Amino acid sequence: EVLLMESGGGLVKPGGSLRLSCTVSGFTFSSYSMIWVRQAPGKGLEWVSSISSSGNYMYYPDSLRGRFTISRDNAKNSVYLQMNSLRAEDTAVYYCAARSGETIEYWGQGTLVTVSS
Amino acid sequence: DIQMTQSPSSLSASVGDRVTITCRASQGIRNYLAWFQQKPGKGPKSLIYGASSLQSGVPSKFSGSGFGTDFTLTINSLQTEDSATYYCQQYDSYPWTFGQGTKVEIK
Repeated sequence: EVLLMESGGGLVKPGGSLRLSCTVSGFTFSSYSMIWVRQAPGKGLEWVSSISSSGNYMYYPDSLRGRFTISRDNAKNSVYLQMNSLRAEDTAVYYCAARSGETIEYWGQGTLVTVSS
Repeated sequence: DIQMTQSPSSLSASVGDRVTITCRASQGIRNYLAWFQQKPGKGPKSLIYGASSLQSGVPSKFSGSGFGTDFTLTINSLQTEDSATYYCQQYDSYPWTFGQGTKVEIK
């Protein structure tokens, strides 16, 4: 059974930091690029970051580059999202997903990040 | 950034109906277009990639078409379990962008 389990979400004050983790099982993690997508309350989906299967290539939208950092540990079947200088508008459910070739094959159930004083 | 515009934003249809959702890109994206289904409180589910290729395990009642800037998702024989929000997404160039979503309700 394929599982993607996000963790690390919670309540953080503006300006604070949080590190999200996504640990997977049921497929060959090192063969998949990994993605983070977020969804603000009542809103649509927004791509946050991607990392290649080797971890050599990372991608971000300009709006998040410099504040968010994606990384992975293939030995631990895990991908991470370090989020710094958090703002109220970063409040969202954060999903990790696994991509092979063109297609996003697997999605997690998400972890909620709330940025509030 | 490439803007993705879906229409309609919401629709209501009856069981057994055929439903079509449109997605338009602000510039050509070849066929690098995916469709996702999301039910309330759940993570997204991949339906279509490459504009028309069905994700493994997805029933053939779902189909996609289009190239360049105009794309469609068709759901045949609508059932109650198809009630969800549907999103298109382009992956032709970074930043990847999603449409705003189309909420499908059953009458």
